[in-house]
Amino acid sequence: EPEVTQTPSHQVTQMGQEVILRCVPISNHLYFYWYRQILGQKVEFLVSFYNNEISEKSEIFDDQFSVERPDGSNFTLKIRSTKLEDSAMYFCASSPSGALPHNQPQHFGDGTRLSIL
Amino acid sequence: GQNIDQPTEMTATEGAIVQINCTYQTSGFNGLFWYQQHAGEAPTFLSYNVLDGLEEKGRFSSFLSRSKGYSYLLLKELQMKDSASYLCAVSTDSWGKLQFGAGTQVVVTP
Repeated sequence: EPEVTQTPSHQVTQMGQEVILRCVPISNHLYFYWYRQILGQKVEFLVSFYNNEISEKSEIFDDQFSVERPDGSNFTLKIRSTKLEDSAMYFCASSPSGALPHNQPQHFGDGTRLSIL
Repeated sequence: GQNIDQPTEMTATEGAIVQINCTYQTSGFNGLFWYQQHAGEAPTFLSYNVLDGLEEKGRFSSFLSRSKGYSYLLLKELQMKDSASYLCAVSTDSWGKLQFGAGTQVVVTP
């Protein structure tokens, strides 16, 4: 069964540095998402992406964050000037094309655990 | 504001049935999803409801009442591997944005 893949599985970075989290969505999916989950807390929506544009973003997704689909397969989340509170598990998700995205199940990757020191 | 509430933890015996309730108050509603999440792993899709009523899928069933802002996930014939967190999530806009509850940790005992 096709999977969403994320790399790296664990990223340790010094505060103030930039990180890029990478995702390869399922190949025929057109809607892409980033979520984060701080340890012990609920999964939080960050951003949705369709047709090479951000379709929606949360209050968390400020100027520190950006997303990009640099080629036909990768979907990246960049975090600039990382802060201690950015430490979390970051999940990428995608949902199928050919239908409205809001009623399609999103398929999640295994996540990248980001630790800011 | 957005509120999605579910119990923090439930314990049940192997072979039993457990019902996990979820109540929601959201600014938009395009359907309700249930996901299973084992510790340190990704959420995996279990079920979706957009119309009132019961959806059955093997050992798992999910129910929705839109007028009451209420859903439940029913797990039957519990197995040890069902020990996990169960996440209630509401799709709140047309782009598929999911708002999650805090999750219900189900502990299955022998």
